[in-house]
Amino acid sequence: QKEVEQNSGPLSVPEGAIASLNCTYSDRVSQSFFWYRQYSGKSPELIMSIYSNGDKEDGRFTAQLNKASQYVSLLIRDSQPSDSATYLCAVIRNSGGGADGLTFGKGTHLIIQP
Amino acid sequence: ETGVTQSPTHLIKTRGQQVTLRCSSQSGHNTVSWYQQALGQGPQFIFQYYREEENGRGNFPPRFSGLQFPNYSSELNVNALELDDSALYLCASSLAAGTGSQNIQYFGAGTRLSVL
Repeated sequence: QKEVEQNSGPLSVPEGAIASLNCTYSDRVSQSFFWYRQYSGKSPELIMSIYSNGDKEDGRFTAQLNKASQYVSLLIRDSQPSDSATYLCAVIRNSGGGADGLTFGKGTHLIIQP
Repeated sequence: ETGVTQSPTHLIKTRGQQVTLRCSSQSGHNTVSWYQQALGQGPQFIFQYYREEENGRGNFPPRFSGLQFPNYSSELNVNALELDDSALYLCASSLAAGTGSQNIQYFGAGTRLSVL
């Protein structure tokens, strides 16, 4: 049974601070890892993808991957009220596609306090 | 905008009826995956279509079926609707399986299905 675990929150962070979102996964053969942002009533929007151990930065977002610990995180620097949303962690086995779908966590509800 | 379009946006059905949801993939993408997202949950993988054939399936019963057409658009059909089928149904498109595309999936806006 493939599982992805996230703290459901809500996680409340002051505007301008760093928001730290965490995710663990159970399937050791997972190869691709994603963070999606989902506003209430909307569909998931891809924020970051990461495939190798270490950090990957894109603007205010940094994804961190540790395959040995089966742990993925997302840091949001200089948090803005518009970052308030649910953040979904997703993993998949086959980095080259194939017959597998994304396995999602339940999501962490992030609230940025003005 | 991801270029993935879904129709209809909302749908109300009664228990026992059948429903068809539609999805047009992003230009250049030939793989379509369908997900069910219940309220307060993460999306759950239903199945994936590639080259007009089902390419993988999650833990959903056979009354969930699909099609993919030569233009890569796709349909999700659900027979004998149950109350628990009420959810947001999401379609995601991606590049061809096995091309090293690292399986980035882009989601449409979804279809909200209510079963009464």
